[in-house]
Amino acid sequence: SQQGEEDPQALSIQEGENATMNCSYKTSINNLQWYRQNSGRGLVHLILIRSNEREKHSGRLRVTLDTSKKSSSLLITASRAADTASYFCATADGTASKLTFGTGTRLQVTL
Amino acid sequence: SAVISQKPSRDICQRGTSLTIQCQVDSQVTMMFWYRQQPGQSLTLIATANQGSEATYESGFVIDKFPISRPNLTFSTLTVSNMSPEDSSIYLCSVGGANYGYTFGSGTRLTVV
Repeated sequence: SQQGEEDPQALSIQEGENATMNCSYKTSINNLQWYRQNSGRGLVHLILIRSNEREKHSGRLRVTLDTSKKSSSLLITASRAADTASYFCATADGTASKLTFGTGTRLQVTL
Repeated sequence: SAVISQKPSRDICQRGTSLTIQCQVDSQVTMMFWYRQQPGQSLTLIATANQGSEATYESGFVIDKFPISRPNLTFSTLTVSNMSPEDSSIYLCSVGGANYGYTFGSGTRLTVV
């Protein structure tokens, strides 16, 4: 299975701090994506990084990808209470035909 | 990006019964995807639904248990048949491409009692 393993499983920080989540996967990929899920609702696409990219930014989000280590990280800077959610990485296989999701990180941002 | 309307948002069902979940997309899409998210777990792909052909099921999922319809390019249904408490999960539909990202419906939270 190519399912990603995310670390940590849960993270609790205070508002204003940075949050870092890590994702590891097993086989070669076309791209890696990060999603947010609020309270068991639908997932929201955050950012996509392709296998030939090493870093990508979107607003307060910074994603890195290390294909040699088969790992990625998501950094949320200056966190807010509204960032409280579960975050999932998902990998697209070589043919980019479907996604396989990681185990997720539950982020709690307190005031 | 596409907008998906998914219904129902939640339901409580008796074991042995069936529930049909609907997803309506505001644009035509070739493939729609159905996922299951068991309590506290990640998402697992159930099947890929193409219009005009039978759905392609992932390992561990069978058509008799999760029949899927795809009558046109904007609509799909997933039925959870002969339900047991183990089927209690969130079911999500999605559209998109692995090359650019997916849009998800808001999910159906199913509880089987």
